[in-house]
Amino acid sequence: GEDVEQSLFLSVREGDSSVINCTYTDSSSTYLYWYKQEPGAGLQLLTYIFSNMDMKQDQRLTVLLNKKDKHLSLRIADTQTGDSAIYFCAERATGGGNKLTFGTGTQLKVEL
Amino acid sequence: EAGVTQFPSHSVIEKGQTVTLRCDPISGHDNLYWYRRVMGKEIKFLLHFVKESKQDESGMPNNRFLAERTGGTYSTLKVQPAELEDSGVYFCASSQQWDYPETQYFGPGTRLLVL
Repeated sequence: GEDVEQSLFLSVREGDSSVINCTYTDSSSTYLYWYKQEPGAGLQLLTYIFSNMDMKQDQRLTVLLNKKDKHLSLRIADTQTGDSAIYFCAERATGGGNKLTFGTGTQLKVEL
Repeated sequence: EAGVTQFPSHSVIEKGQTVTLRCDPISGHDNLYWYRRVMGKEIKFLLHFVKESKQDESGMPNNRFLAERTGGTYSTLKVQPAELEDSGVYFCASSQQWDYPETQYFGPGTRLLVL
């Protein structure tokens, strides 16, 4: 079955790096995504990684995928107060149609 | 280009009443999805339309929920009668049919509170 887990909270100081972790159970995942939700807003796609990749970098964002351990992480370099939001990881599995399976979301709080 | 819009942004109703949520996808997007996040939990898939056809409705919780997409443009999700456990945020998303990899664009959600 599909199950995606994340820790609920993360607090960092401005300028530090943030690492948000996610584990999933479906080994047939094709794409894994990171979405950001700011207060009162919808989900904004940040980045995605194909399951045959180990790493993807996009400006301040680095995604690492350990397919053996079914572990996905999102690293935000030089975290800013504007990065405060809820971050959701999501997977799209082979044979699951187009639906995304989301984690519970990690609330990132950036302190001055 | 306008994004996915949802109406209303908030709805407070009493148990047993009916509520209809509306989603307008991005123009030209054939795929339309409904998802729901119950307080503090994960976002769960409800159903997927391709144009006006239901492609996957495996996530619909029960027959109190009815989704339609007549004409293949906007969609409605009706809850009748509403129960307390239906409270949560209902998200709509849309994507292009042949986008690779598929990117689902989400609306701001409708926050439903059933008292």
